[in-house]
Amino acid sequence: EPEVTQTPSHQVTQMGQEVILRCVPISNHLYFYWYRQILGQKVEFLVSFYNNEISEKSEIFDDQFSVERPDGSNFTLKIRSTKLEDSAMYFCVIARDRVNGEQFFGPGTRLTVL
Amino acid sequence: AQSVTQLDSQVPVFEEAPVELRCNYSSSVSVYLFWYVQYPNQGLQLLLKYLSGSTLVKGINGFEAEFNKSQTSFHLRKPSVHISDTAEYFCAVKSGGYGNKLVFGAGTILRVKS
Repeated sequence: EPEVTQTPSHQVTQMGQEVILRCVPISNHLYFYWYRQILGQKVEFLVSFYNNEISEKSEIFDDQFSVERPDGSNFTLKIRSTKLEDSAMYFCVIARDRVNGEQFFGPGTRLTVL
Repeated sequence: AQSVTQLDSQVPVFEEAPVELRCNYSSSVSVYLFWYVQYPNQGLQLLLKYLSGSTLVKGINGFEAEFNKSQTSFHLRKPSVHISDTAEYFCAVKSGGYGNKLVFGAGTILRVKS
């Protein structure tokens, strides 16, 4: 039984368009993260989110990116104006505990920017 | 800053042979160490983790890893591999401090041949 699901599984968009990637945790989790993996490259941290605010973000997470948990359940990543280099697999990750807790990876959303 | 080095990009091995996937890390603070596995077109699944205590950690699917602080290594081993172990394996480190993002290595593709 997966701890987290993501929608859509694959998103194709035109450069400059906005996209919203969604993450739905199955059970109670307190800590949320987004990571991405450009094809053939490392998995990279984007942002962590706790108690309805960003707790840490990487240099990748610039003003074009935003996250929110609007209804207390879904966790979203928005890219306001997509660029070609945003094409990647985006993983939503959840954890119950900050220090010792396992981080559960969702199945990912493959974003293709044309 | 933390970093993870996986020295081998690909490791070919015959079925039922032993395998070792190497991982070295650098960090100026105490660390937690993880191995994740990624099967084709899937998300990352935790194989095992080292948080504290015994330096030999056993995980799922018969894998184990040994934390060696003096050599800053966390190599993954399995005494006898199966075809189904063919996947990409990622080593990751998380600091013991406030920041709890995972920093990943570049990954090692394990190819098990019959």
